[in-house]
Amino acid sequence: KQEVTQIPAALSVPEGENLVLNCSFTDSAIYNLQWFRQDPGKGLTSLLLIQSSQREQTSGRLNASLDKSSGRSTLYIAASQPGDSATYLCAVRDQAGTALIFGKGTTLSVSS
Amino acid sequence: GAGVSQSPSNKVTEKGKDVELRCDPISGHTALYWYRQSLGQGLEFLIYFQGNSAPDKSGLPSDRFSAERTGGSVSTLTIQRTQQEDSAVYLCASSLDRGGGYTFGSGTRLTVV
Repeated sequence: KQEVTQIPAALSVPEGENLVLNCSFTDSAIYNLQWFRQDPGKGLTSLLLIQSSQREQTSGRLNASLDKSSGRSTLYIAASQPGDSATYLCAVRDQAGTALIFGKGTTLSVSS
Repeated sequence: GAGVSQSPSNKVTEKGKDVELRCDPISGHTALYWYRQSLGQGLEFLIYFQGNSAPDKSGLPSDRFSAERTGGSVSTLTIQRTQQEDSAVYLCASSLDRGGGYTFGSGTRLTVV
């Protein structure tokens, strides 16, 4: 059974720092992996989607990498800002047509 | 529509009552998913609809939970005889096809008193 783990559970950094959020999954045979952001009391916003054949995806200050063989993905946030404060969720899909399996998230706080 | 729409945004109900939660997916998205997020917990998969195929109900926690999707579009999640442990945020997502990325709605916060 696929399990997704995110480390750390919480992270506090000063504004301007570059940071890395980690996601690991137990079964490397995934179809794709998706990173989301969730603000308090809100739904989830998709940040990046990486297909199993891809190594990384970039959007603005965000870069997500995928290493299927080791069962890992990282989300890199450059030059963090207070507006980046949120919970970041990693989710994997084992096959096309199956539901995403989520980690419990990393709650990020960026202070000004 | 432009995004996934869920209603109501908040629902307070008395223990033992039935509730219906609605999800209107993005137009043209064939796949629709329901998840539950309890306080301090991760997202728990409930049910998945893909086109006209039989839904994957493997995540429904009990037979008090059911869902339907009419005409391949709007979906309703029904919880019968609600219990306090049903209190959570219920999130709906849709994707263009069975392998595409998800787009989530803002959720329905259910409180059972």
